Amino acid sequence: ILNVEQSPQSLHVQEGDSTNFTCSFPSSNFYALHWYRWETAKSPEALFVMTLNGDEKKKGRISATLNTKEGYSYLYIKGSQPEDSATYLCAFHQGGSEKLVFGKGTKLTVNP
Amino acid sequence: NAGVMQNPRHLVRRRGQEARLRCSPMKGHSHVYWYRQLPEEGLKFMVYLQKENIIDESGMPKERFSAEFPKEGPSILRIQQVVRGDSAAYFCASSPRDSSGNTIYFGEGSWLTVV
Repeated sequence: ILNVEQSPQSLHVQEGDSTNFTCSFPSSNFYALHWYRWETAKSPEALFVMTLNGDEKKKGRISATLNTKEGYSYLYIKGSQPEDSATYLCAFHQGGSEKLVFGKGTKLTVNP
Repeated sequence: NAGVMQNPRHLVRRRGQEARLRCSPMKGHSHVYWYRQLPEEGLKFMVYLQKENIIDESGMPKERFSAEFPKEGPSILRIQQVVRGDSAAYFCASSPRDSSGNTIYFGEGSWLTVV
């Protein structure tokens, strides 16, 4: 059974703080790692698709890194804003399969 | 370009009835995925379809659940004789080709409540 773990489960930060959270996934048979941002009652919004060990991707104040050898990815948010409040999901894509295995997410709350 | 469209957004069914959830993928996307989120759990893969073909249904319950993606029209997830445990949010996603490093786009979900 594939296991994708995200930590912390939830996080409260103040506006302007920078923050990061972790996604751990199996290090064998890696194909891709997806990050999504999910606000309540909306569709999960694709942030990044990462495929190569050492990948670093950036979108505005959000960036992500990937280590496939040890099976983890970090998501960083610089200068958090209240509108960053959401649940951040990572999903592991194993080679030979089309399914994504999701973690349970990190719920971020940014207080003004 | 409209996103992945799901309907209905909310559906209430009595035990034993049938539930039909529809998904129109993004324009130009021929690959559709269905995921389910049970209460207090993460998104779980159910089925992957291409036009007129079920490619991977390893996440589908063996009974009462079926999915199709016809040549014309939306993809349909059908749940027969619903039970309380089927109450969940059902998400559809689509991609233009297989997901090999490509973004998979999700709809807003259909919330099924079985009473």
